[in-house]
Amino acid sequence: GAGVSQSPSNKVTEKGKDVELRCDPISGHTALYWYRQSLGQGLEFLIYFQGNSAPDKSGLPSDRFSAERTGGSVSTLTIQRTQQEDSAVYLCASSRDSAMGTQYFGPGTRLLVL
Amino acid sequence: QQPVQSPQAVILREGEDAVINCSSSKALYSVHWYRQKHGEAPVFLMILLKGGEQKGHEKISASFNEKKQQSSLYLTASQLSYSGTYFCGTQGQETSGSRLTFGEGTQLTVNP
Repeated sequence: GAGVSQSPSNKVTEKGKDVELRCDPISGHTALYWYRQSLGQGLEFLIYFQGNSAPDKSGLPSDRFSAERTGGSVSTLTIQRTQQEDSAVYLCASSRDSAMGTQYFGPGTRLLVL
Repeated sequence: QQPVQSPQAVILREGEDAVINCSSSKALYSVHWYRQKHGEAPVFLMILLKGGEQKGHEKISASFNEKKQQSSLYLTASQLSYSGTYFCGTQGQETSGSRLTFGEGTQLTVNP
């Protein structure tokens, strides 16, 4: 595709429910990243996928967060038993390769946990 | 470790210049600069690599001081379209792949 796409663009859920956020990276990009951005804050790294290598999960804030990337393309970020502090914009980015590639960001998913 | 950006915010009049700084406490391999407008995704501006030259694009340029682990973004003759939050993302020499650690951002407002 022309750019990184994410869905849904907005998600409102109740505390305790599970949510799934989807990211479609740019075709041909082997690296994919998830970030979280709280209101007025910077970008918090969550997880990074590069090709078939084991993902770097060091940024995941708790075991309620998980992500997978199927077929080296689409990625899904899952948050289980959501909490109000999970409310944020979740941004996905992709880059051509792992060596200092420019990261292209998607529009984000705005998650609100009530 | 998260790089430190300064200033946190700056207000300019159209045509004025600004400098945004990004410092890290660890050895860096690269520094990436992004701009994010309100409600939009960050957009890549430029990347500076260790041993590389100063980069520039029209009236926006940047430098990377490897010894001080600092990068500066220079905006000259600012335009209204420059308004937004500027983030630096750093890649440490020990960080796997191209994982970036972003600063808190510098909010730039350009007024007519």
